[in-house]
Amino acid sequence: IQMTQSPSLLSASVGDRVTLSCKAGQNINNYLAWYQQKLGEAPKLLIYNANSLQTGIPSRFSGSGSGTDFTLTISSLQPEDVATYFCQQYNSWVTFGSGTKLEIK
Amino acid sequence: QVTLKESGPGMLQPSKTLSLTCSFSGFSLSTSGMVVSWIRQPSGKSLEWLAAIDWDGDKYYNPSLKSRLTVSKDTSNTQVFLKITSVDIADTATYYCARRGTVVTYWYFDFWGPGTMVTVSS
Repeated sequence: IQMTQSPSLLSASVGDRVTLSCKAGQNINNYLAWYQQKLGEAPKLLIYNANSLQTGIPSRFSGSGSGTDFTLTISSLQPEDVATYFCQQYNSWVTFGSGTKLEIK
Repeated sequence: QVTLKESGPGMLQPSKTLSLTCSFSGFSLSTSGMVVSWIRQPSGKSLEWLAAIDWDGDKYYNPSLKSRLTVSKDTSNTQVFLKITSVDIADTATYYCARRGTVVTYWYFDFWGPGTMVTVSS
């Protein structure tokens, strides 16, 4: 299943509300996860089952969506949120999106 | 505390077989529901799921790479291995092992190793 993320690059200011998009090529129900990958590090699980916050992840991160359209929202962007964000579907095997690189303006 | 760590050759020549090891602690692969996967990432690119092995010894492979992959585990259930045959330059990547989340039907990955970089070059 192809996963398409947009935008590929997002520049925002500290404190901004930020929205990242992930679209699936077919219905994946809510079998979607979001990961944060900082430069030189392994991915880190943020959200699973589209909207469940992983233990230890700040509450400014939230996920929504179902079917084919999904969103990761950061309610108030912090400097430490600079990273690339990947979505992953697990409705049929496992595939990842191409990523959205988030930078501070 | 769950930790995973990958090890590999660093560099190998085209057409050779790549052997990778994932050593982990904080959980046992003999526990029902546990799964360890291999995922790779070429530099600057996205992630590609490769293979997985579960607590019962069942194996799962990316259909597009299945003919070249072999995943296995040791009898102490603290290490998982991956072999990739006939490597070429396109296999150059950072290879991660990751634990699948503990809810059996949900294939997201809650713990990852730091990754091991593999370069295929003559």
